Amino acid sequence: DTGVSQNPRHKITKRGQNVTFRCDPISEHNRLYWYRQTLGQGPEFLTYFQNEAQLEKSRLLSDRFSAERPKGSFSTLEIQRTEQGDSAMYLCASSSIRGAKNIQYFGAGTRLSVL
Amino acid sequence: TQLLEQSPQFLSIQEGENLTVYCNSSSVFSSLQWYRQEPGEGPVLLVTVVTGGEVKKLKRLTFQFGDARKDSSLHITAAQPGDTGLYLCAGALSDSNYQLIWGAGTKLIIKP
Repeated sequence: DTGVSQNPRHKITKRGQNVTFRCDPISEHNRLYWYRQTLGQGPEFLTYFQNEAQLEKSRLLSDRFSAERPKGSFSTLEIQRTEQGDSAMYLCASSSIRGAKNIQYFGAGTRLSVL
Repeated sequence: TQLLEQSPQFLSIQEGENLTVYCNSSSVFSSLQWYRQEPGEGPVLLVTVVTGGEVKKLKRLTFQFGDARKDSSLHITAAQPGDTGLYLCAGALSDSNYQLIWGAGTKLIIKP
């Protein structure tokens, strides 16, 4: 299966530590998105890549957050100096610029717990 | 600011009952997607509607896109415990725009 893959699935860290998450999109998809989701809420947009270019960043993405997609394939999301408020599910999605209607396909997410 | 208002936020019903979830906006969407999400997992795409007035059926789920493409509904007939989950709607403002406008979700619990 070549769906969106995220790892790790779960990450527990202490406040102040840095964490990095990885997302492997569907192979032919050139658009990649990162979202944050808290319990029972809809996803909140964080950032968006088209190929290797980061074209949009939400105001939610503070200076402690950085995302990269160096070769236009997989992407990483790093959070520096984690805070308890960063605890959430981090979702990655991908879509194709061709074909239908910006349909985004999601990975299973990385659940971050900051102690 | 584009908003997509989803209602109800929470619904708990008995197995066998019918229900409808609504997503409403003042914005016109080129398409609208419905997702279902189970705890600890990512959203899974159920359907995309693209034409005003379109109705799509997925077994016991019926999705409708409003004539003006500003609203959509999801109707579940004879709900089953396996339908339990968070239902999310997301609208695309245009085919080329990357951004989706998300509803806040409807948490649905079907009791046996």
